[in-house]
Amino acid sequence: DTGVSQDPRHKITKRGQNVTFRCDPISEHNRLYWYRQTLGQGPEFLTYFQNEAQLEKSRLLSDRFSAERPKGSFSTLEIQRTEQGDSAMYLCASSLGGDNEQFFGPGTRLTVL
Amino acid sequence: GDSVTQMEGPVTLSEEAFLTINCTYTATGYPSLFWYVQYPGEGLQLLLKATKADDKGSNKGFEATYRKETTSFHLEKGSVQVSDSAVYFCALSHRGDDKIIFGKGTRLHILP
Repeated sequence: DTGVSQDPRHKITKRGQNVTFRCDPISEHNRLYWYRQTLGQGPEFLTYFQNEAQLEKSRLLSDRFSAERPKGSFSTLEIQRTEQGDSAMYLCASSLGGDNEQFFGPGTRLTVL
Repeated sequence: GDSVTQMEGPVTLSEEAFLTINCTYTATGYPSLFWYVQYPGEGLQLLLKATKADDKGSNKGFEATYRKETTSFHLEKGSVQVSDSAVYFCALSHRGDDKIIFGKGTRLHILP
């Protein structure tokens, strides 16, 4: 399967712990996006990369969140000092350039106890 | 700011019924409009899109027409199947702005 993959698919953590998620985009895609989806809501944009450069960050991305894409391929999203409000599905998407279809991964479901 | 409003679910229909899921948007300029579908256990998939007024997007028997005058993009299908059971998201984005703005989603259940 050559689609977008995310790891892990599920993560349960205790409040105050740090967590890191990984996204592997479709191999030739230079743009990579992170979205967050809470229960009963649509996905909300968090940030995106063109190659290794992080070009935009939403105000939703507090200073406890950090995303990287060091070699312009896979990306990681880290949440420090998790809070119960961080419980959500974290979605990754990739595209070939801007204004092109974004292909979504299956998501990582985070539960903070 | 820009926003998308879609009818709340769940929507429950019998197989072969006609489907309409309403979607309206608030945006400056002329955004592109999308319908995404999320099947159980799978990632979001683009179902159809329209990039300018009066365009009709279509795929898998689903259709939606970009209505600038009513700021709407309602999703329709003439005869639904059990396999259409999923969550449907209406969305928009602006050219040159990569983020997609989604509605809250509408869960559709099709009964055999």
